[in-house]
Parts: sequence; C-alpha cells; structure tokens
Amino acid sequence: GQQLNQSPQSMFIQEGEDVSMNCTSSSIFNTWLWYKQDPGEGPVLLIALYKAGELTSNGRLTAQFGITRKDSFLNISASIPSDVGIYFCAGLNYGGSQGNLIFGKGTKLSVKP
Amino acid sequence: DAGITQSPRHKVTETGTPVTLRCHQTENHRYMYWYRQDPGHGLRLIHYSYGVKDTDKGEVSDGYSVSRSKTEDFLLTLESATSSQTSVYFCAISQSPGTLNGYTFGSGTRLTVV
Repeated sequence: GQQLNQSPQSMFIQEGEDVSMNCTSSSIFNTWLWYKQDPGEGPVLLIALYKAGELTSNGRLTAQFGITRKDSFLNISASIPSDVGIYFCAGLNYGGSQGNLIFGKGTKLSVKP
Repeated sequence: DAGITQSPRHKVTETGTPVTLRCHQTENHRYMYWYRQDPGHGLRLIHYSYGVKDTDKGEVSDGYSVSRSKTEDFLLTLESATSSQTSVYFCAISQSPGTLNGYTFGSGTRLTVV
C-alpha cells in the first residue's frame, strides 16, 4: 500500500533554532497535511496543502507541497518549548465516496530550554 | 473542541475478553474512522465508516469489528483481545474525504491487554 517516509524520526534542538522536517512518498497525493500531537492528546491539524508547489504559513510554521506531489516539508522558525511534540505528515487521495489519510511515522521534537 | 468524545480514556483488560470502544460526535459528520497508534508505526487505519451502517476495512482490520447504528456513534470491538492489541486508539471524523481541513481527532483511548 501507500507509504510515507518521514524524517528525521526525532530531533533535539536549542530554543530559538529553526527546524525542518520532510515527508516523501512513492505515490502522488492530492493533499498534504501536517499535524501536531501533544502528549496524551490526539493529533491537531497545523497546515493543509492542496496544490503542487503551494507554500503556506501558519505563524512560525511554513509548509510546502512538492512540485512532484510526492513530497512535503514543514519548517518551524525560532522554536520555543511548547513546540515539543510529535509532528505527523499525512497524504490524502480522494475520489468517489472514499478517501483515507495515510500517515507518516512522525518526527518527535524535543527542545532544550 | 470539535465535539468528538472517546470513551473510555483508559482501559486494562485481560487476554481473551471482548472490549468495545466508543466514539461519539456532535458535528453530524458523515465519515468516522478508527486508528491505532503504536511506537514506530505512526497512525494506522483500522476501519472507517462513510454513513450509518456503511463501514469498510482499513490497513490493520484483523481482530477488530465496527458498528455504526447512528450518525453520532462509531463503535470499535475487539472480539477477543490479544496483547498485540495493546495500543492507543484514536477516533477521527470528517465531513467528506476531500474536506479542506482533513480529519478531526479525539483524545484517544489507551488500551492495555494483560
């Protein structure tokens, strides 16, 4: 089936640093989504991308939908302690009455205060 | 909050016993999903529903069944729980597969099978 390769698996960064993570696939997706999961909670949508080449920002977060539709990246600028959590990319293809999100395995972000 | 509630939040059960997890939504969304989350595997789809009494299997459906008798409730049943089903289970809802905002997730149920 379809798979997403998300990297890195984990990262430790100094507060104030910029962070970059990415997601690649052998399959094309119509939509790319980035979620963040805090401990003990479900994933929460951060950014949604709908068009190849699209670059979208949400505060300190910026994400891009790759031109080939097979990849996406997420950047976090000037990281702060509350950025800690697990970040998931997800690809979505939809047609007819069905369509399901395919998730990457996550990038665990830890920030040193 | 998007109006999605999972119950129970935590459960410990013995191997071989049946277990039912409940997902309840107040958004009147047509689509509902059950995922499990395990270290190193991310989120994997178990079953999903595209309407009342309309369900289909996901990637890891073996050992699980679902039912949806009302729009607002989606039940996940482990007929005979096994230790490999120890996991965190998430329910999600969406208006349609291609909804511009993806899926909204519940807070999860942590299930431990001993």
